[in-house]
Amino acid sequence: DGGITQSPKYLFRKEGQNVTLSCEQNLNHDAMYWYRQDPGQGLRLIYYSQIVNDFQKGDIAEGYSVSREKKESFPLTVTSAQKNPTAFYLCASSIVGSSYNSPLHFGNGTRLTVT
Amino acid sequence: SQKIEQNSEALNIQEGKTATLTCNYTNYSPAYLQWYRQDPGRGPVFLLLIRENEKEKRKERLKVTFDTTLKQSLFHITASQPADSATYLCALPNDYKLSFGAGTTVTVRA
Repeated sequence: DGGITQSPKYLFRKEGQNVTLSCEQNLNHDAMYWYRQDPGQGLRLIYYSQIVNDFQKGDIAEGYSVSREKKESFPLTVTSAQKNPTAFYLCASSIVGSSYNSPLHFGNGTRLTVT
Repeated sequence: SQKIEQNSEALNIQEGKTATLTCNYTNYSPAYLQWYRQDPGRGPVFLLLIRENEKEKRKERLKVTFDTTLKQSLFHITASQPADSATYLCALPNDYKLSFGAGTTVTVRA
């Protein structure tokens, strides 16, 4: 079955620690995205990548970093500089960038709690 | 600034009735609009895409309309079932990314 795998499903960290969230896809999609979801708010874009070795900041990139060394993988690091890291993080992929009508395929998210 | 607004109140309806959800947007000129379904603790799942030159799109019990003059899309679930209970998100293209509304939570009572 093709899809997007995010791991782990739940993650707990102490304040001041960096943490990396995994996202792997076997859909052969070029574009990948990271969104953050908070209660009562729409999904907010953190970073996106349309091709290997290239990525762009989204609307709320501060305190986050990404890499795209392989087509299948787009890990997100939440750094200690992120002021409010506790949230539900969603990874997605699409055939090409969203302006070409492609729907997004989402993983089932990682819920990060920082105390 | 750009905004996407969905019904802020949750929708509670009786099984068999039609649920109607609203997505209004400002400062966008979208070529299309997408609707997604999200279950608790899961990622959104794509349901339907409607293009700016399409007035209406249907998929099984779902119907979407798109009025670019009113800057509004309506999402209808007809003959609703308890299994339709979920949060429904609308999304608009914004350069090479999608921007999402906050979603409307629908609960269908048996």
